[in-house]
Amino acid sequence: NAGVTQTPKFRILKIGQSMTLQCTQDMNHNYMYWYRQDPGMGLKLIYYSVGAGITDKGEVPNGYNVSRSTTEDFPLRLELAAPSQTSVYFCASTPPGGRTGTQYFGPGTRLLVL
Amino acid sequence: AQSVTQLDSHVSVSEGTPVLLRCNYSSSYSPSLFWYVQHPNKGLQLLLKYTSAATLVKGINGFEAEFKKSETSFHLTKPSAHMSDAAEYFCVVSDRGSQGNLIFGKGTKLSVKP
Repeated sequence: NAGVTQTPKFRILKIGQSMTLQCTQDMNHNYMYWYRQDPGMGLKLIYYSVGAGITDKGEVPNGYNVSRSTTEDFPLRLELAAPSQTSVYFCASTPPGGRTGTQYFGPGTRLLVL
Repeated sequence: AQSVTQLDSHVSVSEGTPVLLRCNYSSSYSPSLFWYVQHPNKGLQLLLKYTSAATLVKGINGFEAEFKKSETSFHLTKPSAHMSDAAEYFCVVSDRGSQGNLIFGKGTKLSVKP
């Protein structure tokens, strides 16, 4: 298993541009999550999904959108990039029956908005 | 609402000496608690978790943590630090009221001196 994969690894955006951060897992996990990590802070939950077709907002959803059309993929969309969205973004997933807190993380996408 | 407080933002130890990373939690429920580790430029990896079984939890790489309800603490320890332990450590509580979403502390950076 590749586990949780994220692309791209690094991206520079101009203010107002849009992009999609890709996240794929091959473990048949139904729960998936997007976090952002800012310097000196823990991870903040942006959006999560409990299965295909079901998504919900986390703590910091403003400026982002998600979709979950398949079990494997959970892309995160930035529509109008702002400097405040400069961060490292992590995708994670949890196995079925998974309110256990054992989340499997991808390697992250580093985003710089200038 | 659940929260965690990591009492030290940075801990520095010498190789071969004990490690203590402190964490206090606040939870209305019987909590699930975790320690995750993040090595530089990597994703997060689960070290150990407490889910209301034994109060002393053993994790990977020689780490362990003790759940103390009376002190609302979940400190992480290791008897002898290794250079490879240098990383950032996050204490995490599972928000059982919200699909098991994780709430992260701000992290403790562990430095290990030769």
